[in-house]
Amino acid sequence: QQPVQSPQAVILREGEDAVINCSSSKALYSVHWYRQKHGEAPVFLMILLKGGEQKGHEKISASFNEKKQQSSLYLTASQLSYSGTYFCGTPSGSARQLTFGSGTQLTVLP
Amino acid sequence: DAGVIQSPRHEVTEMGQEVTLRCKPISGHDYLFWYRQTMMRGLELLIYFNNNVPIDDSGMPEDRFSAKMPNASFSTLKIQPSEPRDSAVYFCASSLGQGLGGYTFGSGTRLTVV
Repeated sequence: QQPVQSPQAVILREGEDAVINCSSSKALYSVHWYRQKHGEAPVFLMILLKGGEQKGHEKISASFNEKKQQSSLYLTASQLSYSGTYFCGTPSGSARQLTFGSGTQLTVLP
Repeated sequence: DAGVIQSPRHEVTEMGQEVTLRCKPISGHDYLFWYRQTMMRGLELLIYFNNNVPIDDSGMPEDRFSAKMPNASFSTLKIQPSEPRDSAVYFCASSLGQGLGGYTFGSGTRLTVV
């Protein structure tokens, strides 16, 4: 089942913060986050494995609450380069394949 | 490493023609995935392989679609006959083991069926 992302789109000014949420109706064991720029392939940002785990990638961090079956991606002090579509991906149970959310389009304006 | 390599980058074909998309995964990666991306349906998993063996092809839309992985360094996705609704960007991705390093996607093949 496809995870649900919110919001669908965000427009920011450089330096502002944003939060992207990903939730699932099924139990989550891990969450992947990817960013896709227009006309390019999705690029892996990070994976979260444990309940309550947080990770960071530059000024992009994420949290994972397995009890609430949700993850959030935090973009701090956004840069122009952060523009793109962000996808969360969740495995189907113990299976290896990921099901991706519908994406959140992030636009950072100067 | 050159990453995941897909060919062709663009393909325009007429309805009814056979289309073959190609993928070379990252050397050493034991999982290979084929995804299709459209505006309406997002990123959909079509099929995936583990050590060259197809594991789950439940996402393959119809019998017109077939995929093979004859060896660890090459996979094909074939559509025969192609239809306009097959128009999409097809991505190949590979990963290692439990996937803790995430998926590495190829640049994709943009398929247009007219």
